[in-house]
Amino acid sequence: GDSVTQMEGPVTLSEEAFLTINCTYTATGYPSLFWYVQYPGEGLQLLLKATKADDKGSNKGFEATYRKETTSFHLEKGSVQVSDSAVYFCALSDIQGAQKLVFGQGTRLTINP
Amino acid sequence: NAGVMQNPRHLVRRRGQEARLRCSPMKGHSHVYWYRQLPEEGLKFMVYLQKENIIDESGMPKERFSAEFPKEGPSILRIQQVVRGDSAAYFCASSPEQGADGYTFGSGTRLTVV
Repeated sequence: GDSVTQMEGPVTLSEEAFLTINCTYTATGYPSLFWYVQYPGEGLQLLLKATKADDKGSNKGFEATYRKETTSFHLEKGSVQVSDSAVYFCALSDIQGAQKLVFGQGTRLTINP
Repeated sequence: NAGVMQNPRHLVRRRGQEARLRCSPMKGHSHVYWYRQLPEEGLKFMVYLQKENIIDESGMPKERFSAEFPKEGPSILRIQQVVRGDSAAYFCASSPEQGADGYTFGSGTRLTVV
């Protein structure tokens, strides 16, 4: 079945460092891809998404590009802040408009001042 | 415009009791999804409902778990005879139409079974 694999955490960086969180997927068809962020004690918030190959999703300085050839959707940010500390989840929907998401296991990110 | 409202935020139950988790979708949203997050894991799909109908329950355990979304009132996820392994965070999401592109998640209910 469909699956999502994220880089193992936890990840600890200093403020203003460059961030990459790797995400690869396995799917039949052409899924939509998502990054969600979960702050402590809260629900998931959609960070960005891409619905077709070569699309780039971006929000709040974060970016991710849908790479069909490498089945990847890596999350990047050029300069992280302490407020970016959270758990980040990569996810896919099995086909566009489908009703369920398949999540990776999450990557905990801590940014030190 | 209130978001997806889940209550209670925290729920403690003894083994063998029943747990009832409530989810009020966003105004205008008629599609509800329930997910479970075990400690240090990602979310796993449980069930997808529209008003008065269960559309996909492929992620629901076969026993003790049930869900409903009545014509009036919130969606309810019910767990009978809880066991320690049911301890998790349960998240509800809603959308105005079918499809993951339009999800809004609630803040979750954290169930602890003692």
